[in-house]
Amino acid sequence: DTGVSQNPRHKITKRGQNVTFRCDPISEHNRLYWYRQTLGQGPEFLTYFQNEAQLEKSRLLSDRFSAERPKGSFSTLEIQRTEQGDSAMYLCASSKTSGRNSYEQYFGPGTRLTVT
Amino acid sequence: DQQVKQNSPSLSVQEGRISILNCDYTNSMFDYFLWYKKYPAEGPTFLISISSIKDKNEDGRFTVFLNKSAKHLSLHIVPSQPGDSAVYFCAAADRGSTLGRLYFGRGTQLTVWP
Repeated sequence: DTGVSQNPRHKITKRGQNVTFRCDPISEHNRLYWYRQTLGQGPEFLTYFQNEAQLEKSRLLSDRFSAERPKGSFSTLEIQRTEQGDSAMYLCASSKTSGRNSYEQYFGPGTRLTVT
Repeated sequence: DQQVKQNSPSLSVQEGRISILNCDYTNSMFDYFLWYKKYPAEGPTFLISISSIKDKNEDGRFTVFLNKSAKHLSLHIVPSQPGDSAVYFCAAADRGSTLGRLYFGRGTQLTVWP
């Protein structure tokens, strides 16, 4: 399977705990995105990497959130001191850097976070 | 502020008929548009896209129409099949920005019944 993979698929945590999610993009894709989706909403942009450089962060990404892509391959998204409002589906996507299809982002299955 | 709007949360269509899903946008800088399909417990799957230099793009049973003056696009599925039942998201990008983020609507739940 050469698609985008995310782990874990589900995470239940208690308020105040830290959680970390992993995303493995499609191997030839240089761009990697994190989105968050809550019930009844479309995916909302969180942050974006081109190779290992984090080029943009949304206002949604509070100081408790941090994302890395250390070698330009997989990425991690960490949430510190989780709150109930962090409960959502966290989606990772990847795309090519250039070419006519560079705006077509391919999504992973997501990690569903539940904060109790 | 929702820059991409899908005003119909649901649509129900009989198998074999046409499904028309609508999308409006407010940002005139958007120049590339995409449709995604999402099944429960899966991530969105890319369906079809259109650049602002075109007004129509077709791929098999799926056709996307773009009306730039009205800031409106639609996805036509003909003929509709039960396997098309899913949530459909409209998304837009500003290619003048190098950042590539997509702006999504809230989605339309399509149900195709036999």
